[in-house]
Amino acid sequence: ELKVEQNPLFLSMQEGKNYTIYCNYSTTSDRLYWYRQDPGKSLESLFVLLSNGAVKQEGRLMASLDTKARLSTLHITAAVHDLSATYFCAVDIRGGTNFGNEKLTFGTGTRLTIIP
Amino acid sequence: EADIYQTPRYLVIGTGKKITLECSQTMGHDKMYWYQQDPGMELHLIHYSYGVNSTEKGDLSSESTVSRIRTEHFPLTLESARPSHTSQYLCASSVRVLNYGYTFGSGTRLTVV
Repeated sequence: ELKVEQNPLFLSMQEGKNYTIYCNYSTTSDRLYWYRQDPGKSLESLFVLLSNGAVKQEGRLMASLDTKARLSTLHITAAVHDLSATYFCAVDIRGGTNFGNEKLTFGTGTRLTIIP
Repeated sequence: EADIYQTPRYLVIGTGKKITLECSQTMGHDKMYWYQQDPGMELHLIHYSYGVNSTEKGDLSSESTVSRIRTEHFPLTLESARPSHTSQYLCASSVRVLNYGYTFGSGTRLTVV
């Protein structure tokens, strides 16, 4: 059974600081996703990471993937208050032998609070 | 602009009522999913479909049922709602092409009193 773990679960940091959220998963996967969720809202797609060594950046967020270590990181640079949200990683696995029968399994989420 | 639509956005109903949560997508995606999420918690897959007339139960046991008669429509039904069903329900769809992930609807926040 696939397990996806994130840490930390809660993160409170000051504006201007850097920090990293970690996502570990337990079985082979070919795609990893990062989402943002504001309170009471749906999910906003941030990054799709497709291969080992993939790195993507958007503004103050940068995500990377190490498939050998089964680890992805979401790095926040010079945090600003607008980045306060819950961040989820999710892993895509194939069900059975049929190509394309994937399901998305989510991590526990990291609730990020940026303090002015 | 959303290409996957969920209605209603909020719903408060009494125990024992039958309800259907609607989910429709206009992208022609074969794959559709229902996730359940308690406030601030992780999402759990409760149902999924890989195409018309295909439905499967997800990782989290649920008393709800789904149907997939048309590609664009994936409704979720609770025959007899209970307070334990109070949660947010998120619908998603996907297609397996390079660099494409999953599109999520805006969610239905269900409260059973």
